[in-house]
Amino acid sequence: ETGVTQSPTHLIKTRGQQVTLRCSSQSGHNTVSWYQQALGQGPQFIFQYYREEENGRGNFPPRFSGLQFPNYSSELNVNALELDDSALYLCASSLGGVRSDTQYFGPGTRLTVL
Amino acid sequence: DQQVKQNSPSLSVQEGRISILNCDYTNSMFDYFLWYKKYPAEGPTFLISISSIKDKNEDGRFTVFLNKSAKHLSLHIVPSQPGDSAVYFCAASTMGSQGNLIFGKGTKLSVKP
Repeated sequence: ETGVTQSPTHLIKTRGQQVTLRCSSQSGHNTVSWYQQALGQGPQFIFQYYREEENGRGNFPPRFSGLQFPNYSSELNVNALELDDSALYLCASSLGGVRSDTQYFGPGTRLTVL
Repeated sequence: DQQVKQNSPSLSVQEGRISILNCDYTNSMFDYFLWYKKYPAEGPTFLISISSIKDKNEDGRFTVFLNKSAKHLSLHIVPSQPGDSAVYFCAASTMGSQGNLIFGKGTKLSVKP
């Protein structure tokens, strides 16, 4: 069984740029959630995708967007990067739909915005 | 306003003793609670969960207790091992939350040999 994988591991961007982060879900899982973890904080929910549709969204602006593909892998796109976007971005997969309680996390992508 | 609070940023315990990590919540609609463990440079690893219809769930050395009236849950690790040293996050969700897990800020556990 393959776990959740994310790429890249680290990324450095400058303010105003755009970034795309990628996630492959655990085999058999059809739901992917994205979280942002700032330093010293717990992960904060960005959005969730279920069967290629956005299934819920946290308190993040529209410049945070995502996609889920037919193989259930997912992308997180962030436009017009701001310094406060510097964080660890975590992807989690689960098997479910409306309710996905036990989520399994990938190792994360560390994004630094200069 | 934090809905899930872990008021102890750190905890130090001797190997072999019990570790007790605490978590408080404010939203009475939460009906499912989880604990995750996180090592540096890794994603959170699921440990154990509990539904609001239960007050205790046990898995090996890990036991989670839920006190709904006090809006409090705790994770007990017995016996503690040096490999348990990590940051522990409490998380909660509500029916219909569409996967939105609300996390606390975490407690860093250090188990000393």
